[in-house]
Amino acid sequence: DIQMTQSPSSLSASVGDRVTITCRASQSISNYLNWYQQKPGKAPKVLIYGATSLQSGVPSRFSGSGSGTDFTLTISSLQPEDFATYYCQQSYSTPITFGQGTRLEIK
Amino acid sequence: EVQLVESGGGLVQPGGSLRLSCVDSGFTFSRYWMHWVRQAPGKGLVWVTRINNDGSSTSYADSVKGRFTISRDNAKNTLYLQMNSLRAEDTAVYYCTRGATTMVRGVYHNWFDPWGQGTLVTVSS
Repeated sequence: DIQMTQSPSSLSASVGDRVTITCRASQSISNYLNWYQQKPGKAPKVLIYGATSLQSGVPSRFSGSGSGTDFTLTISSLQPEDFATYYCQQSYSTPITFGQGTRLEIK
Repeated sequence: EVQLVESGGGLVQPGGSLRLSCVDSGFTFSRYWMHWVRQAPGKGLVWVTRINNDGSSTSYADSVKGRFTISRDNAKNTLYLQMNSLRAEDTAVYYCTRGATTMVRGVYHNWFDPWGQGTLVTVSS
């Protein structure tokens, strides 16, 4: 199974900050990497697919980069509604696996 | 707008069974692979199982293999998860989700979208 490791596990930031979350795969997954946002009590919502493609309707302050084993999700200017938990997920092979999550909190 | 609505969760004793359902209100259910993903209380997301569009192929996480069965009824736009021999560690919110696919620079990519609201399964005596 491919292990996905996110860092940091939690992060405190302020509105307007630029934030970067990292995801590392235990083996190369090319660009088969997706990012999700989950708010408490809600289902996850896809932000980025294929490592860099922004899902329709997602604000452009979200961006993704990377290939192979190392990936990043960047939020260019944090908004109040961005405080949530973020997960990476590999779609390279079955079993599909997620990172453990990064909780983004208000400083 | 596609909506997925799960039902069937509840409290069950260890060793018991439960069947979850997920109804797709859209008109194209039969075109898509479908998945179940679960989330234990306060924990992360874990993929459980998937089924292809016509139900002829399935895949399972090792933790549920031999105990859970995914199936679908395309005439009813409904996805199922039959859960047998339930354990305390199966306690989680179970989400059904569609396998979305698109081609990016000549390569097909897959992700989960949309998701249902989730149904809570609690395994406890």
